[in-house]
Amino acid sequence: NAGVTQTPKFRVLKTGQSMTLLCAQDMNHEYMYWYRQDPGMGLRLIHYSVGEGTTAKGEVPDGYNVSRLKKQNFLLGLESAAPSQTSVYFCASRRGQGAGSTEAFFGQGTRLTVV
Amino acid sequence: QQQVKQSPQSLIVQKGGISIINCAYENTAFDYFPWYQQFPGKGPALLIAIRPDVSEKKEGRFTISFNKSAKQFSLHIMDSQPGDSATYFCAASITGGGNKLTFGTGTQLKVEL
Repeated sequence: NAGVTQTPKFRVLKTGQSMTLLCAQDMNHEYMYWYRQDPGMGLRLIHYSVGEGTTAKGEVPDGYNVSRLKKQNFLLGLESAAPSQTSVYFCASRRGQGAGSTEAFFGQGTRLTVV
Repeated sequence: QQQVKQSPQSLIVQKGGISIINCAYENTAFDYFPWYQQFPGKGPALLIAIRPDVSEKKEGRFTISFNKSAKQFSLHIMDSQPGDSATYFCAASITGGGNKLTFGTGTQLKVEL
């Protein structure tokens, strides 16, 4: 049982380049999330999804897009990377409503540097 | 706007001592309060969580104390061990609407021998 897997683990981008971060979960969870973690700021929600085909904005969505075409995958896209997007990105998943639905499981993170 | 405020930013405790991390929240609609533990290079992992209908929850050496009227909750680590050295995040969420977690800014705990 792999849990939540993020690809890639590290990436260096030049300003203006685009890339997609992939998150895959094998727990059949309904809810998926993308967070960014910056020193002294905790984890901030970028976008989230409550089910296949749905997405919604979080606290810091500007400069990012997401897609949830399959239940198990949640993609985070950067169309034109900026140095301010240098961060560690975490994907998380959670069961939907109901008993045992409260714990969020996190991936190992993707360290992105934009130069 | 920081909806969940966490302190201290860093903490050094001697082995065997008690580590205490505090959080305060603003939104009274929050109904789930977890603590996450994160080791370097890893993702956060759930440590312990509480709902506002109880004032305390204990799991082994870890205890959450919850004060609904003061809108505060804290994590107590008893008999702290070097293996507890990690970053701890408090969080809060509202059931429904995606159950989105709002995190505090984190506390770096170091337990010295």
